[in-house]
Amino acid sequence: QLQLQESGPGLVRPSETLSLTCAVSGGSISSDTFYGGWLRQPPGKVLEWIATMSYSGTTYYNPSLKSRVTMSVDMSKNQFSLKLSSVTASDTAIYYCAKVQVPGIFDQWGQGTRITVSS
Amino acid sequence: EIVLTQSPGTLSLSPGERATLSCRASQSVSNNYLAWYQQKPGQAPRLFIYSASSRATGIPDRFGGSGSGTDFTLTISRLEPEDFAVYYCQQYGKSPVTFGQGTKVEL
Repeated sequence: QLQLQESGPGLVRPSETLSLTCAVSGGSISSDTFYGGWLRQPPGKVLEWIATMSYSGTTYYNPSLKSRVTMSVDMSKNQFSLKLSSVTASDTAIYYCAKVQVPGIFDQWGQGTRITVSS
Repeated sequence: EIVLTQSPGTLSLSPGERATLSCRASQSVSNNYLAWYQQKPGQAPRLFIYSASSRATGIPDRFGGSGSGTDFTLTISRLEPEDFAVYYCQQYGKSPVTFGQGTKVEL
């Protein structure tokens, strides 16, 4: 059974870059069927898809965040990462990584990591 | 982007009762690519239904999805105590994928 675990700093200052990592266990992300994604859930607000990456490294970004987001993969560590630049208070949220079943179903999720943007 | 509107916002029911949750899309969802997730406090969402009516692995058959085009429904035939939670619909027929605001099923 695939398991995903997010890690992040907890607190980020405004204008800085948020870096998150999703460690995957119980399966290989180098499999030609693996797609990973990031989503977030601001307090009391709607779930928002951020990005998806294929096993080959092709990335798909939400247009609303595309200018600030970079998703990458580290096959050697069996993990994928997200960077979100120029954060503001509106980026405060629980961030989830998930396994993506093409064309866009999130069928397994990490437990989430809470990120607060504050000075 | 496709906006999903869920109704009602809150559904107050008792165990054994039937729950009917609605999800309406601002435009037709391609291939009926509509999913439903359950989320309990402090937990990540969990996939329950995909392609409008297919149950995910391990989901009991008291959960049923239906609908097409712009109108979709999640039905829980007989509520069990563990079913009280928030349910979200999600469309993945057009990028960006989007979620509804959720329906809370409460006791």
